[in-house]
Amino acid sequence: ETGVTQSPTHLIKTRGQQVTLRCSSQSGHNTVSWYQQALGQGPQFIFQYYREEENGRGNFPPRFSGLQFPNYSSELNVNALELDDSALYLCASSFGMVAFFGQGTRLTVV
Amino acid sequence: KNQVEQSPQSLIILEGKNCTLQCNYTVSPFSNLRWYKQDTGRGPVSLTIMTFSENTKSNGRYTATLDADTKQSSLHITASQLSDSASYICVVSASLEEKLTFGTGTRLTIIP
Repeated sequence: ETGVTQSPTHLIKTRGQQVTLRCSSQSGHNTVSWYQQALGQGPQFIFQYYREEENGRGNFPPRFSGLQFPNYSSELNVNALELDDSALYLCASSFGMVAFFGQGTRLTVV
Repeated sequence: KNQVEQSPQSLIILEGKNCTLQCNYTVSPFSNLRWYKQDTGRGPVSLTIMTFSENTKSNGRYTATLDADTKQSSLHITASQLSDSASYICVVSASLEEKLTFGTGTRLTIIP
């Protein structure tokens, strides 16, 4: 167990809907990053939050947004879902060099 | 553009045999290189992490090497077990910003 918990584990949404994914970081970790992993591919960096501020963003459109809360838990919001958004969404919490990943949320858009 | 390339894409070996997975990267400025094991549909789990000054690190039957001059790394698995079947992902971090660049992974299958 990594101490990083994501919810829900699986989710099915229809195209055009909005979704919120949640991540509970390991205690004391002030940095959280979100990744999208398509089937058979490596994770792609979406964005990172450090102490509640966005601290870098990958090549994802603005309909991907996030929040980090004072307790360092985090949310990933995706608006206007598209079929290509179907993927495993991973969050990773870190303090220093070591990043710990959650088990992921499998999102299917139909 | 920061990139991490892994080879082979997939590998099948007999239980008990050894294997070596390769990783080449073009990430700058380099901070550290990690190997992760990822079971299907699960989050990656860290195996090793190496900084610029380290050229080898072991974690049980897993031994990672790093050549920062040639920007290459390898992960050697000794005496493979069925539970080693997974994807092995090489991840490189640029500077200290923790924005990780992932390889696409090597899918390892161990057969009895």
